[in-house]
Amino acid sequence: EAQVTQNPRYLITVTGKKLTVTCSQNMNHEYMSWYRQDPGLGLRQIYYSMNVEVTDKGDVPEGYKVSRKEKRNFPLILESPSPNQTSLYFCASSLYQAGGYNEQFFGPGTRLTVL
Amino acid sequence: AQSVAQPEDQVNVAEGNPLTVKCTYSVSGNPYLFWYVQYPNRGLQFLLKYITGDNLVKGSYGFEAEFNKSQTSFHLKKPSALVSDSALYFCAGTALSGYALNFGKGTSLLVTP
Repeated sequence: EAQVTQNPRYLITVTGKKLTVTCSQNMNHEYMSWYRQDPGLGLRQIYYSMNVEVTDKGDVPEGYKVSRKEKRNFPLILESPSPNQTSLYFCASSLYQAGGYNEQFFGPGTRLTVL
Repeated sequence: AQSVAQPEDQVNVAEGNPLTVKCTYSVSGNPYLFWYVQYPNRGLQFLLKYITGDNLVKGSYGFEAEFNKSQTSFHLKKPSALVSDSALYFCAGTALSGYALNFGKGTSLLVTP
């Protein structure tokens, strides 16, 4: 089954404790992205990746890191989480074709609470 | 800078009536525009997209959207609403030459029996 998986689905942590949210897709997609969803703010893009070893900042990258060492994986790293990073996080992937843009497939979400 | 706006936080419609969820965009150059739907406790699901071509785009579950360049709008429509259409709807867009996708804040659609 074609899918985007995220782990963990739920996480409660404390300020300053490094954490990683994993994202994996089995569709051989070039493009992957991380979003956060907050009430009244919709989805905001954190980072995206056009392909292996190619990443770029989205609208709200502060406090986050990403890496793209393999095509299928795109982990989101919070080196020192703070309460304002409490949010619902979504990973997404899509095919990228030169000159085109395709719909994104979303993971189920990770609900993060930072105390 | 590019942006997408959804002017309505919530839309209420009776089952069987037509529905419209509004979206306007500000994108330099030609836009790629999308609609996604989010059901409770689920990720977003793709509904439809506009790249080029016909201004009326048909998508999943009987939804369609009309691209209007002069009004910079991309409204989502359905001729006859179902209670099961109740969900959160997001409009998203990007420029042809860009890669970052901008989402609107979402519109909650409530279809009452």
